[in-house]
Amino acid sequence: EAAVTQSPRSKVAVTGGKVTLSCHQTNNHDYMYWYRQDTGHGLRLIHYSYVADSTEKGDIPDGYKASRPSQENFSLILELASLSQTAVYFCASSLGGGAETLYFGSGTRLTVL
Amino acid sequence: GQQVQQSPTSLVLQEGENAELQCNFSTSLNSMQWFYQRPGGSLVSVFYNPSGTKQSGRLTSTTVIKERRSSLHISSSQITDSGTYLCAMERDTGNYKYVFGAGTRLKVIA
Repeated sequence: EAAVTQSPRSKVAVTGGKVTLSCHQTNNHDYMYWYRQDTGHGLRLIHYSYVADSTEKGDIPDGYKASRPSQENFSLILELASLSQTAVYFCASSLGGGAETLYFGSGTRLTVL
Repeated sequence: GQQVQQSPTSLVLQEGENAELQCNFSTSLNSMQWFYQRPGGSLVSVFYNPSGTKQSGRLTSTTVIKERRSSLHISSSQITDSGTYLCAMERDTGNYKYVFGAGTRLKVIA
């Protein structure tokens, strides 16, 4: 069964600190995505990747970096965490980039104080 | 403005009642999906429905691409249907990126 695993499940960070969210998929999918979810906004795409060692900007990339060191792993990096980055973050994967079902991880609840 | 508008924002049903959730898109799209998010949990694809009508058990999705709308009908609702239903459109561009609506929060009570 397709599986996307995120870590940590929740995290509290201090303003200005560095945060790394990790995602691992065993689906053998080419595409991976990072979304954030805020109340009233649905999910918004931060970064995505369709091949290892390459990432693309999504709709709200400012303040975030992404890293795809292998097909299975995709990280989201907040170099200088800010209060506005408090949200739930979801990682997802898909076989291709379009007309494909997205498989989501369980999410990471990030609180920046 | 938002490219994907969902209505209603929230809905409370008595167990056994039917529900109709709407999704409207402000731009042209290639395809769309409906997702279910359990309370405090992850998202699971319910339907991938680029056009036409699809049914799975008590759920029916109807998408009319030319009219930029989709609906999700839930019949004979059950308490376990409670959660948030999100629709997402695949934009009609070279970048295969889904844009999500804000969701409809459904609560089914006994």
